Amino acid sequence: ILNVEQSPQSLHVQEGDSTNFTCSFPSSNFYALHWYRWETAKSPEALFVMTLNGDEKKKGRISATLNTKEGYSYLYIKGSQPEDSATYLCALRSYDKVIFGPGTSLSVIP
Amino acid sequence: GAGVSQSPSNKVTEKGKDVELRCDPISGHTALYWYRQSLGQGLEFLIYFQGNSAPDKSGLPSDRFSAERTGGSVSTLTIQRTQQEDSAVYLCASSFPRGGGSYNSPLHFGNGTRLTVT
Repeated sequence: ILNVEQSPQSLHVQEGDSTNFTCSFPSSNFYALHWYRWETAKSPEALFVMTLNGDEKKKGRISATLNTKEGYSYLYIKGSQPEDSATYLCALRSYDKVIFGPGTSLSVIP
Repeated sequence: GAGVSQSPSNKVTEKGKDVELRCDPISGHTALYWYRQSLGQGLEFLIYFQGNSAPDKSGLPSDRFSAERTGGSVSTLTIQRTQQEDSAVYLCASSFPRGGGSYNSPLHFGNGTRLTVT
């Protein structure tokens, strides 16, 4: 059974704060780890796909790291802005199956 | 280019009726996924297709749920004898094929179908 966990469940930060979330997953049968941003009334959009242990990806103020041996990934947001408010999902690809975690809901207070 | 298209965007049906949800993936995407989000829940995996075949149907909640894909393109998710607990947003996603052992393709989502069973 593929069980993907995320923490915290929700987070409220002040504009300008930096923050990070955790995704944990079973390290066996690992093929890739995805991060998505899901804004209200929209569909999820891919942020990163990481496949190699030690991978680090960056897009603007958002970055992610991956540790496949211990089964976790971190997503970092530097200098949070109100437009970063969304649910952040991680997903584990095991061969062709892609299983999502429950998400972390981020609210950035102006 | 065109993204993943789902129809209808909203569907209200009476308990006990059958419904069909449609997904038109991005052209060239051989992998297609169905998920649902019930109120207050995360994305629940239902089924995926590689081409026209569905290697893993383990996520389908009951035998009232079925899905098919024809021509490696359009997919339909059918729910028979709908129940109130079937009310949810049903999301479809597609992905590029695996090439040379590459698994770094993200999923591209449609806007979903909001199903309400009264």
